Amino acid sequence: KAGVTQTPRYLIKTRGQQVTLSCSPISGHRSVSWYQQTPGQGLQFLFEYFSETQRNKGNFPGRFSGRQFSNSRSEMNVSTLELGDSALYLCASTRGSDNSPLHFGNGTRLTVT
Amino acid sequence: QKEVEQDPGPLSVPEGAIVSLNCTYSNSAFQYFMWYRQYSRKGPELLMYTYSSGNKEDGRFTAQVDKSSKYISLFIRDSQPSDSATYLCAMSEVDTNAGKSTFGDGTTLTVKP
Repeated sequence: KAGVTQTPRYLIKTRGQQVTLSCSPISGHRSVSWYQQTPGQGLQFLFEYFSETQRNKGNFPGRFSGRQFSNSRSEMNVSTLELGDSALYLCASTRGSDNSPLHFGNGTRLTVT
Repeated sequence: QKEVEQDPGPLSVPEGAIVSLNCTYSNSAFQYFMWYRQYSRKGPELLMYTYSSGNKEDGRFTAQVDKSSKYISLFIRDSQPSDSATYLCAMSEVDTNAGKSTFGDGTTLTVKP
């Protein structure tokens, strides 16, 4: 069974630009969650989507948004990039209908210059 | 104060040692407890998943949960150089599912041959 796939693996953007990250969950998983990982803050929850609806949201500004498609694939968008947005963005999936644990992809490393 | 506090490390042990990794938490609603291992430039990999208090063993790994003390541990027996990684504890509530998990900051372990 294929794992969680995230593209691209690396991104370099300039302040003020916007970026879109993509995630394909494990087959059969209907929940996709996004996390930001930085050395100073650790893993911070951004949001979770289940059946194309945002089910949970973390404490990030509105510049961070996401969506989920009917095939459970998800995208995350960050607008008006700031230097502090440089981080590893991790996507994780679960079945979503029970309390099965998260399975992570290898992340997208975003660098904002 | 963070909801989940993890012993920061770093931890360095000789090959074959028993390793103890620990987390405390303050949120009584946490019911599901996970341990992840993260290698450099990779996403977190699920090691152990437990519900409620007690012990769970899987090979060289034992997860222990004490809900009365709000304390969880991961023990690694006969540690190997390949166990060198960052270990993250994570917890989730029944109502929000694992999609919104709360993570510790991680403990970096080095096992020396």
